[in-house]
Amino acid sequence: SQELEQSPQSLIVQEGKNLTINCTSSKTLYGLYWYKQKYGEGLIFLMMLQKGGEEKSHEKITAKLDEKKQQSSLHITASQPSHAGIYLCGAAQKSSGDKLTFGTGTRLAVRP
Amino acid sequence: DTAVSQTPKYLVTQMGNDKSIKCEQNLGHDTMYWYKQDSKKFLKIMFSYNNKELIINETVPNRFSPKSPDKAHLNLHINSLELGDSAVYFCASSLRLAGHGTDTQYFGPGTRLTVL
Repeated sequence: SQELEQSPQSLIVQEGKNLTINCTSSKTLYGLYWYKQKYGEGLIFLMMLQKGGEEKSHEKITAKLDEKKQQSSLHITASQPSHAGIYLCGAAQKSSGDKLTFGTGTRLAVRP
Repeated sequence: DTAVSQTPKYLVTQMGNDKSIKCEQNLGHDTMYWYKQDSKKFLKIMFSYNNKELIINETVPNRFSPKSPDKAHLNLHINSLELGDSAVYFCASSLRLAGHGTDTQYFGPGTRLTVL
């Protein structure tokens, strides 16, 4: 069974709009990673969250991890076409040992 | 300088052939991984090696055999290729074992394998 659920599966926004992508786990997370994948390319590391309530920002992207460490959100402010791609959350869970389990991904398209 | 590199980037081959994908990291990391991304973009771990030692083997057919000649390299050899092996294969590395999620995994650009 899929341990990490991402929503929405796909998203089309107008340039300049804000958006949020969610990642939910059925188990407590020991580390939550956000990656971006441009179409047909590799994964680019965005941010890693570890502590409950932690929030990190890089340029116009902010990621948060809830206090229970079971849900994370990725928020993009004033989206640009360069933000388009597939956003993946990856998590290390105690039950999974040393591997990362990935969510199903969210495809983001930004209309100019 | 490329941190995690994979070759080839594209691989098209016939069913039944044997092929290898190479991965190298110049980050000085101890741990390397192979992931498979299927047509639905679902990314799933296959193997991990720590300092040349196999740590994770995720129910992958025996036709897949990873080999780590040194901790900077982790190659993936696939025997008797099948149609279902078509996917993008990503190599990744982290400083140490992911453990409780403290070490970031850095990914290579991927190898798109197409089996005809």
